[in-house]
Amino acid sequence: GNSVTQMEGPVTLSEEAFLTINCTYTATGYPSLFWYVQYPGEGLQLLLKATKADDKGSNKGFEATYRKETTSFHLEKGSVQVSDSAVYFCALRSKSGGYNKLIFGAGTRLAVHP
Amino acid sequence: DVKVTQSSRYLVKRTGEKVFLECVQDMDHENMFWYRQDPGLGLRLIYFSYDVKMKEKGDIPEGYSVSREKKERFSLILESASTNQTSMYLCASSTPGQGSSPLHFGNGTRLTVT
Repeated sequence: GNSVTQMEGPVTLSEEAFLTINCTYTATGYPSLFWYVQYPGEGLQLLLKATKADDKGSNKGFEATYRKETTSFHLEKGSVQVSDSAVYFCALRSKSGGYNKLIFGAGTRLAVHP
Repeated sequence: DVKVTQSSRYLVKRTGEKVFLECVQDMDHENMFWYRQDPGLGLRLIYFSYDVKMKEKGDIPEGYSVSREKKERFSLILESASTNQTSMYLCASSTPGQGSSPLHFGNGTRLTVT
């Protein structure tokens, strides 16, 4: 079945460091891929998405490229800020059982310190 | 702006009680979802509804039921709460059909069953 695997956290970085959070997926067909972010005490917010191979999603300095050949969608940011501290979820959405279903990874907690 | 509202941020209930979690969206979305979020497990789909009075089981429906009498409201019901249902519950909504449509989440209800 469809699944998403993320690197385990927590990831701890200093401000202005480079961030990579790895995400790989297993899916039939051509899923859409998403990164969601959850700030403390809040629900999930869409961070970025990509709907086909080689698409690059970007938002707030974060970016991720849909790589079909490696079934990956790694999240990157060139210079993190303390305000980026949150839990990040990789997800895919594909038709399964006749309806669109969003499948999440386990989440990766990021802590950025000054 | 898009808004999904969950009626309670925190709930404490006793084992065996019947529990109602309410969710309202103001975006006229056809699809609504209930997920539970547990550390290390990410988000798991409990139930899904694609129209009024329509529902589909997700990955972990046991011990839960749902009600969708109006388009904007989707209720999750724990018929007889148990301690293993202590969790964060997240409601979401989306437009139908398009696999690239993101989900919009509420802020969650943290339920503790004692």
